[in-house]
Amino acid sequence: QQQVKQSPQSLIVQKGGISIINCAYENTAFDYFPWYQQFPGKGPALLIAIRPDVSEKKEGRFTISFNKSAKQFSLHIMDSQPGDSATYFCAAGTGGGNKLTFGTGTQLKVEL
Amino acid sequence: DAMVIQNPRYQVTQFGKPVTLSCSQTLNHNVMYWYQQKSSQAPKLLFHYYDKDFNNEADTPDNFQSRRPNTSFCFLDIRSPGLGDAAMYLCATSRGVGKGHQPQHFGDGTRLSIL
Repeated sequence: QQQVKQSPQSLIVQKGGISIINCAYENTAFDYFPWYQQFPGKGPALLIAIRPDVSEKKEGRFTISFNKSAKQFSLHIMDSQPGDSATYFCAAGTGGGNKLTFGTGTQLKVEL
Repeated sequence: DAMVIQNPRYQVTQFGKPVTLSCSQTLNHNVMYWYQQKSSQAPKLLFHYYDKDFNNEADTPDNFQSRRPNTSFCFLDIRSPGLGDAAMYLCATSRGVGKGHQPQHFGDGTRLSIL
């Protein structure tokens, strides 16, 4: 019940295209859903986060869509750039976000 | 810049030889976390400190221990490393609970190799 399932495992997108990564959860107690971006040799960095009282949050080229009834959320990267090539992790947290459960990660490659 | 700093970036130790990894932060955050991340896997929370209060995850092996002597520093001690403990170890910090969801700020990790 604590799992967060993430797909796809890897993704190749052409420069300028839209990258879409999906996550699903079971635990309805989760109330905080961040996305982290991780470059090789670096720690994860918070990209964008959403709470379940909104269905969408946009920051620049990055958008989270949240479907509470389906217990799913997704990250959309518009106008994908080679510099976006990284591993993306979704996560879910409860009770102040002290404990995050991470998805298994998606390795994104944006090709020229 | 305020940040989370992990030393060393790379650590090699022998099978069964105790090793200590360190983390320091200039963010003055209440909470410090230790995660284990194996290759191509998600970070897995080992334990966290809320101020001086230690919170161990149920499935964290007894081989792993932690110390937080003050707000700025936190250490991960592996008493008898096995080959399965080779991984990236990530330290993170956040403000305390009771203030809404707070983002976790990660260091760049220490990659531990076991010979």
